[in-house]
Amino acid sequence: DAGITQSPRHKVTETGTPVTLRCHQTENHRYMYWYRQDPGHGLRLIHYSYGVKDTDKGEVSDGYSVSRSKTEDFLLTLESATSSQTSVYFCATWTGALANEQFFGPGTRLTVL
Amino acid sequence: AQSVTQLGSHVSVSEGALVLLRCNYSSSVPPYLFWYVQYPNQGLQLLLKYTTGATLVKGINGFEAEFKKSETSFHLTKPSAHMSDAAEYFCAVSEPGGYNKLIFGAGTRLAVHP
Repeated sequence: DAGITQSPRHKVTETGTPVTLRCHQTENHRYMYWYRQDPGHGLRLIHYSYGVKDTDKGEVSDGYSVSRSKTEDFLLTLESATSSQTSVYFCATWTGALANEQFFGPGTRLTVL
Repeated sequence: AQSVTQLGSHVSVSEGALVLLRCNYSSSVPPYLFWYVQYPNQGLQLLLKYTTGATLVKGINGFEAEFKKSETSFHLTKPSAHMSDAAEYFCAVSEPGGYNKLIFGAGTRLAVHP
């Protein structure tokens, strides 16, 4: 277990409001990821980070932004939440190529009304 | 582009029966392959992975998978199902040498009945 925590664990918000989800890791892993999980789609990559201040888009990045100012924290922001962003969001970290394992956090269930 | 197909969104087996969960992938280069398990209201846990070397890979909880390049498959098996195996299982691929961005299949929910 890579010691990944996510906050909040549950959130209900209204359409048009900004939302920030936080991921915190204690293993000093360089690589971090945000995925969303939806029925019938498995998990899909939103954004990822390969170092402090180094981020890039994933498969479903529209409507999301990220920031990483410290190794241990990776923030996902929904600038103006929409009902299509109702989902379960998972943060993950990667050990690197040698061990090659991605560890997942417990998830955040977000409902946009 | 890489993609993953898991045949059967729901699989039901009897306790003690063989578990077979199917995964096929599409990739322009030989990928790294992974199976994850998700228990209700939890994150994903790695069951096993194939990167290089032996094509039959053993994982935790008695699961194993075989990489068959000619069939572009990485099916997950367990000889004897246990009630505690009931969960959702995800197959995933990544491109070697990249940023380990995982591409997931849609998942297979395994039910085990007495």
